Amino acid sequence: EVQLVESGGGLVQPGRSLRLSCAASGFTFDDYAMHWVRQAPGKGLEWVSGISWNSGSIGYADSVKGRFTISRDNAKNSLYLQMNSLRAEDTALYYCAKSGIAARRPFDYWGQGTLVTVSS
Amino acid sequence: SYVLTQPPSVSVAPGQTARITCGGNNIGSKSVHWYQQKPGQAPVLVVYDDSDRPSGIPERFSGSNSGNTATLTISRVEAGDEADYYCQVWDSSSDSWVFGGGTKLTVL
Repeated sequence: EVQLVESGGGLVQPGRSLRLSCAASGFTFDDYAMHWVRQAPGKGLEWVSGISWNSGSIGYADSVKGRFTISRDNAKNSLYLQMNSLRAEDTALYYCAKSGIAARRPFDYWGQGTLVTVSS
Repeated sequence: SYVLTQPPSVSVAPGQTARITCGGNNIGSKSVHWYQQKPGQAPVLVVYDDSDRPSGIPERFSGSNSGNTATLTISRVEAGDEADYYCQVWDSSSDSWVFGGGTKLTVL
């Protein structure tokens, strides 16, 4: 059974940093691209960042480019999101999502999310 | 960047057919994926590549895509289908994934 478990969320002041983690199990982690998707309270889904199986291809939404860094550790079956210079508008539930083996495939499994609140 | 437009809400009686649209410039040339999100839950992929269904998704869920509009069709709607639905495409011009704003399906 595929499982994605996010952690690392919490309350943080504007301008500070936070690192999210996603622990994956139930599939061959290093075969698949992975993504972070966020959802602000009462709002829709927003893709944040994605990373290919070997970290050779990485992408970011314009809204986080230069502030967030995605990474993965295939030996630990883990995905990460380093979030710097956080803003109030980054407040959201952050989901980890599994993609396909081939490039540009949809997100077939999602975690339950970790909540990030940016406030003074 | 590429914009996907969905109606904020769609209402349908049980047993009827719900159609949720997703508009975008020449969206027919892209692969469209659809997600269902029930309150307090993570999204679930219900249709991919315009019209394919993941295993475990009922045949009542189907999709089509042509011109400037993609459509998710839910036949014989049940109370349990009440949820938010999002369309998604890959935008090659910006190298990013794009979601529609979401449609709240209400079963009357």
